[in-house]
Amino acid sequence: GDSVTQMEGPVTLSEEAFLTINCTYTATGYPSLFWYVQYPGEGLQLLLKATKADDKGSNKGFEATYRKETTSFHLEKGSVQVSDSAVYFCALTLNTGGFKTIFGAGTRLFVKA
Amino acid sequence: GAGVSQSPSNKVTEKGKDVELRCDPISGHTALYWYRQSLGQGLEFLIYFQGNSAPDKSGLPSDRFSAERTGGSVSTLTIQRTQQEDSAVYLCASSSNLAGAFGEQFFGPGTRLTVL
Repeated sequence: GDSVTQMEGPVTLSEEAFLTINCTYTATGYPSLFWYVQYPGEGLQLLLKATKADDKGSNKGFEATYRKETTSFHLEKGSVQVSDSAVYFCALTLNTGGFKTIFGAGTRLFVKA
Repeated sequence: GAGVSQSPSNKVTEKGKDVELRCDPISGHTALYWYRQSLGQGLEFLIYFQGNSAPDKSGLPSDRFSAERTGGSVSTLTIQRTQQEDSAVYLCASSSNLAGAFGEQFFGPGTRLTVL
């Protein structure tokens, strides 16, 4: 069945370190891919998206490239900040007449000053 | 409204009581989703509406859980005979099915349910 797998956390980094959070998916059809973020005490919000193969989504210094050949959508940031501490969720949607959505389990990121 | 709203924001109930959680989606959004997030856990999909119908109810954990949506807008999630394991944050999200939306979801602030 359709699924999203992301690396387990927590991930702890020092400020200005490079971040990668891995995400791979299994889907029948051609999904759109998303990263959502949940900051402490806040609701979930969209971070970035990519809707077709080789698209790169980017926002707030984060990037992720839709890799169809490896069924991956890894999240990267060159230099993290303390304010990036949050839980990150990878997700896919499939257009099945509506949009079926599947979320990964989430990866908690802690950034130390 | 400007965003997805949910009520109540917090609900404390006694084991065995019924509760109703409400979600008001963004105006014009045809798709509506309910999720459950337990402490420190990921998102557990519960149910999804397209208009007033629910093509995917596969995530409802038991027959104590039900949901409805009326007028293609407000949705209510009902939990009957609540149990302590039902304690969680219940999240609602809506999305547009217009071309170009690609299923991006907009989330409400959640209802924190505590069953004593």
